[in-house]
Amino acid sequence: DTGVSQNPRHKITKRGQNVTFRCDPISEHNRLYWYRQTLGQGPEFLTYFQNEAQLEKSRLLSDRFSAERPKGSFSTLEIQRTEQGDSAMYLCASSSYGTGDTDTQYFGPGTRLTVL
Amino acid sequence: AQSVAQPEDQVNVAEGNPLTVKCTYSVSGNPYLFWYVQYPNRGLQFLLKYITGDNLVKGSYGFEAEFNKSQTSFHLKKPSALVSDSALYFCAVRPLNTGFQKLVFGTGTRLLVSP
Repeated sequence: DTGVSQNPRHKITKRGQNVTFRCDPISEHNRLYWYRQTLGQGPEFLTYFQNEAQLEKSRLLSDRFSAERPKGSFSTLEIQRTEQGDSAMYLCASSSYGTGDTDTQYFGPGTRLTVL
Repeated sequence: AQSVAQPEDQVNVAEGNPLTVKCTYSVSGNPYLFWYVQYPNRGLQFLLKYITGDNLVKGSYGFEAEFNKSQTSFHLKKPSALVSDSALYFCAVRPLNTGFQKLVFGTGTRLLVSP
């Protein structure tokens, strides 16, 4: 068990560019979550998948944001036409459902996005 | 709507002394409650959770938390603080027995343990 991994760890981009982040959950975890954390704040929920189905989306997830989990394993979060307000730490978490330690979300190290 | 309040931005304690980090919550129905710790430039690390049962929950690294339903609180405690406990601590809540899975976090409390 290597834990939740996220790539890249850091991303610097110019305003208006598109960026994509990847999250690999703990193996056999069927639930996957994306959160965003800005400086001085707690993480804010963006979206959640159970297997490949996206079951919850926050109002924070504007039209410029899209998340996928095509095969129920890794997930990608894409931000189109980035804005300076998108600068934040993007956290991924995973949990199991139905077996083992349900309800506990385990977080990855995060991807820090800086939009210039 | 769910919410979490962590009233102290920072808690200072001397090594070896007991520590308490406060958390109060608001949720419809019964809550799931969690504590996470975050070290600089790292993700969140799970410490402990309350779902049902005993109001005193024990977790990782000697931490414990007490669920108080009447006061809607879930304070994090440790009998003897270590310098290595210095970090940012987050309390989180989500309602029990609903379809919603998102955690709602507080703004965090920075714990500083001095030698």
